[in-house]
Amino acid sequence: AQSVAQPEDQVNVAEGNPLTVKCTYSVSGNPYLFWYVQYPNRGLQFLLKYITGDNLVKGSYGFEAEFNKSQTSFHLKKPSALVSDSALYFCVVDRMDTGRRALTFGSGTRLQVQP
Amino acid sequence: ETGVTQTPRHLVMGMTNKKSLKCEQHLGHNAMYWYKQSAKKPLELMFVYSLEERVENNSVPSRFSPECPNSSHLFLHLHTLQPEDSALYLCASSQGVDRNYGYTFGSGTRLTVV
Repeated sequence: AQSVAQPEDQVNVAEGNPLTVKCTYSVSGNPYLFWYVQYPNRGLQFLLKYITGDNLVKGSYGFEAEFNKSQTSFHLKKPSALVSDSALYFCVVDRMDTGRRALTFGSGTRLQVQP
Repeated sequence: ETGVTQTPRHLVMGMTNKKSLKCEQHLGHNAMYWYKQSAKKPLELMFVYSLEERVENNSVPSRFSPECPNSSHLFLHLHTLQPEDSALYLCASSQGVDRNYGYTFGSGTRLTVV
């Protein structure tokens, strides 16, 4: 079965410290990988994506993600967290399934950055 | 604002009511989607419209009825809902259904069924 796992419901980090939000996936084929962020009472916003090429992808707001094919992981990282980064983060796998595009969302990880 | 506008932002309805959710985009996208976001569950794709034609219906109960009158507007008509239908309903659009195109999401409609 195709799946996306975000093993942590919540991640707490102090402002200024590095942060990591974990994501592993189990899908067939060559998936495209995305991270989206959802601020309170808002829709999802695109952060970054990996399609091919360099395993380290840089995105919006200073975030980056590292694609690791052998570990089937796509962890989201930021060197120095801000209080304004506090939000809900979704890892998304975008693949083709019998000719149709199919997105599989992780369950989300709430990031709480303390001042 | 992202360019995808959803109204209303909040909706409380009884189980016997009929209501509609509206989504509007003027990004020039030709694919639109309805997603359901329930607490502590992954987003669930409900419907996909491409060029105003429904191309996907993910086993959604018939009490949810989508309508796409043109490429800029998408509706979700609701009737005789159940309390478990309470959720955040998100609309999204993309330039095409090809996965080279990312999604733009609206802010959602928070639906409460009483």
